[in-house]
Amino acid sequence: AQSVSQHNHHVILSEAASLELGCNYSYGGTVNLFWYVQYPGQHLQLLLKYFSGDPLVKGIKGFEAEFIKSKFSFNLRKPSVQWSDTAEYFCAVNANSGAGSYQLTFGKGTKLSVIP
Amino acid sequence: EPEVTQTPSHQVTQMGQEVILRCVPISNHLYFYWYRQILGQKVEFLVSFYNNEISEKSEIFDDQFSVERPDGSNFTLKIRSTKLEDSAMYFCASTTSGQGRKEQYFGPGTRLTVT
Repeated sequence: AQSVSQHNHHVILSEAASLELGCNYSYGGTVNLFWYVQYPGQHLQLLLKYFSGDPLVKGIKGFEAEFIKSKFSFNLRKPSVQWSDTAEYFCAVNANSGAGSYQLTFGKGTKLSVIP
Repeated sequence: EPEVTQTPSHQVTQMGQEVILRCVPISNHLYFYWYRQILGQKVEFLVSFYNNEISEKSEIFDDQFSVERPDGSNFTLKIRSTKLEDSAMYFCASTTSGQGRKEQYFGPGTRLTVT
């Protein structure tokens, strides 16, 4: 079974600060990796995804993430956060369940508060 | 851009009542999922559905839950006798087939409040 750990429960940053949110997963096989964002009162939106290839992936809104296979990590980064990045961020993984479905396993989420 | 839609956006029900949450997946998608998020907790997988049958289900998805695709467009989640602990946000998601199965498209969610 897969599991996902997000180490930071709540991160508070000032605008223009750099962001790095940690995500580690456990699974013995090949996984697909995702970061989702949930703005207050809104639904899950995909920020970025990694299936294969270049381990550094770029997503929307200036976010990027790096897959480090040896560390089972997929950390999310942004060089300079804005107040509008205030949201909850979820790391998720999936793999073929064997029955053909790719259900996602989510981490507990990291709440990001950006202070103007 | 096609979207997954869900109705209602908010459902309030009394304990013991049956509720049906509705989802309209993206039209050419073939795999369908339900997830839930209890307030302040992580998103949890409930069930996946393909070719008119359940593919996978979690331990949360007990006999009180059922899913159906009654008419080729809607995908429903029924809770037969709601409990207080069923209060959560319920998200529907869908994917295409083949390699497209890896990426799920989520609906906006239905907030279920059981009183």
